[in-house]
Amino acid sequence: AQSVAQPEDQVNVAEGNPLTVKCTYSVSGNPYLFWYVQYPNRGLQFLLKYITGDNLVKGSYGFEAEFNKSQTSFHLKKPSALVSDSALYFCAVRVNSLSYNTDKLIFGTGTRLQVFP
Amino acid sequence: KAGVTQTPRYLIKTRGQQVTLSCSPISGHRSVSWYQQTPGQGLQFLFEYFSETQRNKGNFPGRFSGRQFSNSRSEMNVSTLELGDSALYLCASSLSRKPDYGYTFGSGTRLTVV
Repeated sequence: AQSVAQPEDQVNVAEGNPLTVKCTYSVSGNPYLFWYVQYPNRGLQFLLKYITGDNLVKGSYGFEAEFNKSQTSFHLKKPSALVSDSALYFCAVRVNSLSYNTDKLIFGTGTRLQVFP
Repeated sequence: KAGVTQTPRYLIKTRGQQVTLSCSPISGHRSVSWYQQTPGQGLQFLFEYFSETQRNKGNFPGRFSGRQFSNSRSEMNVSTLELGDSALYLCASSLSRKPDYGYTFGSGTRLTVV
């Protein structure tokens, strides 16, 4: 079965310090990986995606993610955290099989990032 | 350009009633998907529509249904509401079903069943 795991419910980090939000995946075939962020009472905002190519993907708001095929991981990172980065972060894999008429996102359980001043 | 628009933003319904939620995708986007978000179950796929056809459906009871119109706007309907249907319902649109195209999400409709 295809799945995404976010092992940490919450990550706490001091402002100015680097942050990492972990994500591992299990898919058959090529992984299409996404990170989204959700602020209170809002929808999901796209941060970045990995489809193919360079393992280090750069996205919005200074975030980046490193794709590691051998470890089946796609960790989200930022060199210097801001208080305004505090939000709920979701990792997702796009399951796309036109032969089976399937196209959907499977999400991890989410990680709450708290950045302290 | 305008993003994905979901209406209404908030709804309060009584158990046993039915509800219809609306989603207007980004102009030109033909794929529309719906997700349910709850604290207990997280984000769960409901269904996906492309070119007015439901292409696949998640593991939800038949009380959950939807449709897509020729202008790609989509509606989802929940009949005989249960307390457990209280959730944030998110709509997402995509230009294509190709995997390298991302999804853009709306702000959601917060449904409360009392």
